[in-house]
Amino acid sequence: DVKVTQSSRYLVKRTGEKVFLECVQDMDHENMFWYRQDPGLGLRLIYFSYDVKMKEKGDIPEGYSVSREKKERFSLILESASTNQTSMYLCASAIWASRGLYEQYFGPGTRLTVT
Amino acid sequence: AQRVTQPEKLLSVFKGAPVELKCNYSYSGSPELFWYVQYSRQRLQLLLRHISRESIKGFTADLNKGETSFHLKKPFAQEEDSAMYYCANLSPLNTGFQKLVFGTGTRLLVSP
Repeated sequence: DVKVTQSSRYLVKRTGEKVFLECVQDMDHENMFWYRQDPGLGLRLIYFSYDVKMKEKGDIPEGYSVSREKKERFSLILESASTNQTSMYLCASAIWASRGLYEQYFGPGTRLTVT
Repeated sequence: AQRVTQPEKLLSVFKGAPVELKCNYSYSGSPELFWYVQYSRQRLQLLLRHISRESIKGFTADLNKGETSFHLKKPFAQEEDSAMYYCANLSPLNTGFQKLVFGTGTRLLVSP
């Protein structure tokens, strides 16, 4: 069974703090993703990574950065947290697969509140 | 840009009633579509893929290229079907990699 874990289930931070969200997968997947999930807006892709030290911006990268130093770990960084970054953050991993076999595996999510 | 549209934020039905969650996509190529589901206090997980033509937990979804739709259907809803449902399309990138484009989700509420 693929396991994707996230370091915290709930997190409360103050405006201006630097925030680290950690994600670890145990299935040797090349691809990892960070989304935020907001009511009425669905899942929006923040950043993704296709290999170690490789990253690409998603649809809403502003205010975020990422780090992937090891294959199994993908970190999301909020350089200076703001209240509009209060959200549920989901990490996912996937292996490249031929047509019809693609699947993303999600972590349990981190609910971040910025006060 | 590719888009996946789920027009209903909330769908409320009674147990035993038929259910149809709508999904439309905009994509000029050959789509690869999925339904993901998130039950209360559980992680998001794959429900079904269009290419598999499978029925999972009584749900089916048919790709209609003419209408660019991939609606999720179940003939008789159960209370345990209450969840958040997301439609997604696999988007190839010019780098050769892939990403999922998700719709905004539909919350299904099945009442006894």
